[in-house]
Amino acid sequence: DVKVTQSSRYLVKRTGEKVFLECVQDMDHENMFWYRQDPGLGLRLIYFSYDVKMKEKGDIPEGYSVSREKKERFSLILESASTNQTSMYLCASRAVFLGNQPQHFGDGTRLSIL
Amino acid sequence: TQLLEQSPQFLSIQEGENLTVYCNSSSVFSSLQWYRQEPGEGPVLLVTVVTGGEVKKLKRLTFQFGDARKDSSLHITAAQPGDTGLYLCAGDNYGQNFVFGPGTRLSVLP
Repeated sequence: DVKVTQSSRYLVKRTGEKVFLECVQDMDHENMFWYRQDPGLGLRLIYFSYDVKMKEKGDIPEGYSVSREKKERFSLILESASTNQTSMYLCASRAVFLGNQPQHFGDGTRLSIL
Repeated sequence: TQLLEQSPQFLSIQEGENLTVYCNSSSVFSSLQWYRQEPGEGPVLLVTVVTGGEVKKLKRLTFQFGDARKDSSLHITAAQPGDTGLYLCAGDNYGQNFVFGPGTRLSVLP
């Protein structure tokens, strides 16, 4: 089974702090994704990565950056946290070579910015 | 812009009843996934459908992909409280991106 692990289930930070959310997958997947999920807005893509050291902006990248130095790890960075970034953050990964492969999600990080 | 619509948005039923949830789009997808998500957890993959007209069964859950690969349905037979959760459909745009529906929140009462 695919295992996608997010470093924290719950996180509380203060406005202006730099926040790191970590995600690790154990299946050598090429693609990794970061979403945020908010009531009434569904899942929105922040950033994704096709492979190591590659990154692409999603639909709502403002205020975020990402890092993918190793294939198994994809980090989301909130450069200067703001209260409107309080949300559920979901990481996902996907294999590419077989085609039509689904995304597999981690358990999520519920982030509160005070 | 690609969109996936899901209906109904909310559904509350008694244990033992049957139900169907729909996922519709005007776009064609290379595949479509269904997920179930419980409060405070990440979405868990239930099934991937790839071929137009394909039907897949997972115990009491039956998934169908439309012939034109634009829509899908999820039918649950004899629903149980353990089926409670948010059901999400996601369309794969030929490997370029995924489009998620807003979800159907199901509550099965004992």
